[in-house]
Amino acid sequence: DAKTTQPNSMESNEEEPVHLPCNHSTISGTDYIHWYRQLPSQGPEYVIHGLTSNVNNRMASLAIAEDRKSSTLILHRATLRDAAVYYCILGETSGSRLTFGEGTQLTVNP
Amino acid sequence: GAVVSQHPSRVICKSGTSVKIECRSLDFQATTMFWYRQFPKQSLMLMATSNEGSKATYEQGVEKDKFLINHASLTLSTLTVTSAHPEDSSFYICGTSGAHGTQYFGPGTRLTVL
Repeated sequence: DAKTTQPNSMESNEEEPVHLPCNHSTISGTDYIHWYRQLPSQGPEYVIHGLTSNVNNRMASLAIAEDRKSSTLILHRATLRDAAVYYCILGETSGSRLTFGEGTQLTVNP
Repeated sequence: GAVVSQHPSRVICKSGTSVKIECRSLDFQATTMFWYRQFPKQSLMLMATSNEGSKATYEQGVEKDKFLINHASLTLSTLTVTSAHPEDSSFYICGTSGAHGTQYFGPGTRLTVL
């Protein structure tokens, strides 16, 4: 499985944008970039995914580097409810396994 | 995304007993489901991949006779922890497979074995 590298932790202030980086230098041409987040004692929640182009949804934006070796999850206005562990994971096709790394613990300060 | 439920949300049992955890895909037909466990302060570890109508595929180091998986329908997969021991205490999470490798996860089941 291609691996991803994320910072262990990041901090942000409420109502400010947050940029969560992820490196995936060994990504293959068919790997999708997935982002999930997990609050304490809950299952992970799907955030966003993309292949080559930048993606936007109601939760976040995903900016993918042109060479696809890195990506950034963007939360446009952080709220206290966004405090969670954010996982960047590569996945290929429907039914394929996902390998979770340690993720980034995001702390949002009021 | 798909809605996934798990039951029970938490269970406490005595050592040596068996515990069954249900994972239901409420609005999506899940050909493939995944079972993970998560120990405190750690990330999710994939235990097995469950395919509807066929035997589950277990990850290395996961005992298939201890963690029995049944995926008899497109909406239900069950994980039975047989002869549970305190070291099996963990947070068990199921996931269903969507498009492009996306997974949708249940809320998790907290198992405590006394």
